[in-house]
Amino acid sequence: KNQVEQSPQSLIILEGKNCTLQCNYTVSPFSNLRWYKQDTGRGPVSLTIMTFSENTKSNGRYTATLDADTKQSSLHITASQLSDSASYICVVSAPSGGSYIPTFGRGTSLIVHP
Amino acid sequence: NAGVTQTPKFQVLKTGQSMTLQCAQDMNHEYMSWYRQDPGMGLRLIHYSVGAGITDQGEVPNGYNVSRSTTEDFPLRLLSAAPSQTSVYFCASSYSAPRGSEAFFGQGTRLTVV
Repeated sequence: KNQVEQSPQSLIILEGKNCTLQCNYTVSPFSNLRWYKQDTGRGPVSLTIMTFSENTKSNGRYTATLDADTKQSSLHITASQLSDSASYICVVSAPSGGSYIPTFGRGTSLIVHP
Repeated sequence: NAGVTQTPKFQVLKTGQSMTLQCAQDMNHEYMSWYRQDPGMGLRLIHYSVGAGITDQGEVPNGYNVSRSTTEDFPLRLLSAAPSQTSVYFCASSYSAPRGSEAFFGQGTRLTVV
């Protein structure tokens, strides 16, 4: 069964500090991997997308990495801000019957304290 | 630009009642999907549609029906509500299937079945 495991489950950091969130997956065959940010009470919003051939992609203070050989991805947040407090969800898509089915991780809950 | 609009935002049902969760998008996206999000679990795909008149089951379809008569609308019907269907429901749309295409989520419908 395709699975996406995220760690840690939750993380508390001080404003201005950096942090790294991890995502391991067993989804096969692999199509792409996205990181989403979900603020409390809202739907997820896409941060980055990684395809098989990409190793690193940045979006402002967010940098995602992908190692397709070990099936691992990370999301690094630089100089955290209070507005970074949210759940970060790793999603891996795989082809299925002519379409693509996403498998969602359970998310990492990040709290940034002043 | 409204994006993906879900109604209602909150709903309380009695066991055995039926209801329809509405989802509309104004981005002319072909792909639409419904997810449920439960505490401690990742989003799980209920049903999806790759275009008007075409729907398919996701990971947890039992107890739910969908139809796609227009590109814009993708309602989710609960046939006979059960307490196990208490959850937050998200509708999403994307230009094409998840491969390389960002999903835009609605704000969610929080459903409680008593």
